Amino acid sequence: DAGVTQSPTHLIKTRGQHVTLRCSPISGHKSVSWYQQVLGQGPQFIFQYYEKEERGRGNFPDRFSARQFPNYSSELNVNALLLGDSALYLCASSPGQGAYEQYFGPGTRLTVT
Amino acid sequence: GESVGLHLPTLSVQEGDNSIINCAYSNSASDYFIWYKQESGKGPQFIIDIRSNMDKRQGQRVTVLLNKTVKHLSLQIAATQPGDSAVYFCAENQYSGGGADGLTFGKGTHLIIQP
Repeated sequence: DAGVTQSPTHLIKTRGQHVTLRCSPISGHKSVSWYQQVLGQGPQFIFQYYEKEERGRGNFPDRFSARQFPNYSSELNVNALLLGDSALYLCASSPGQGAYEQYFGPGTRLTVT
Repeated sequence: GESVGLHLPTLSVQEGDNSIINCAYSNSASDYFIWYKQESGKGPQFIIDIRSNMDKRQGQRVTVLLNKTVKHLSLQIAATQPGDSAVYFCAENQYSGGGADGLTFGKGTHLIIQP
């Protein structure tokens, strides 16, 4: 079975630009969560979507937004990029709502210059 | 502040020995805990999980112990192999009852396997 997939693998953007990251969950999983991992630290929770609705949000500014599609795939959007947004963005899928049994994808490495 | 933390940033063990990675948490409302392994340049890999109504859970070569009295979690890896070299994170789910909450991660322990 295919695991969680994310695209693109790497991305370089300039300050002030906008970025869209994509995630496809494990087949049969209905929940997608997004995390930001800065180098040397553990992942930080950004959003969880379940059944196409936002179910949880971490302490991130409104520049961060996301959505989930009918096929349960998801997009994370970040507007007005800052240098501090440079990080590994991770998507995790789980069968149901909540933080149980989350399986992570390989991540998208975003570099903001 | 962070409610999940690890006691040691780096742990070095001999190949073939058992490894024990520790984790402290401060929120008694946490109902679920997970251990992840993360290799350089990759996403976290699910190792084993445990719910708060359990004290111990075993997987293949791994055991997770939960001591709710002292809010302590540990991951034991038996017969450590070179492929076990990675950063290990514990994470907790702080169930608030109001909907979905994300996992809270600690900073991680870097496990180094000596030949």
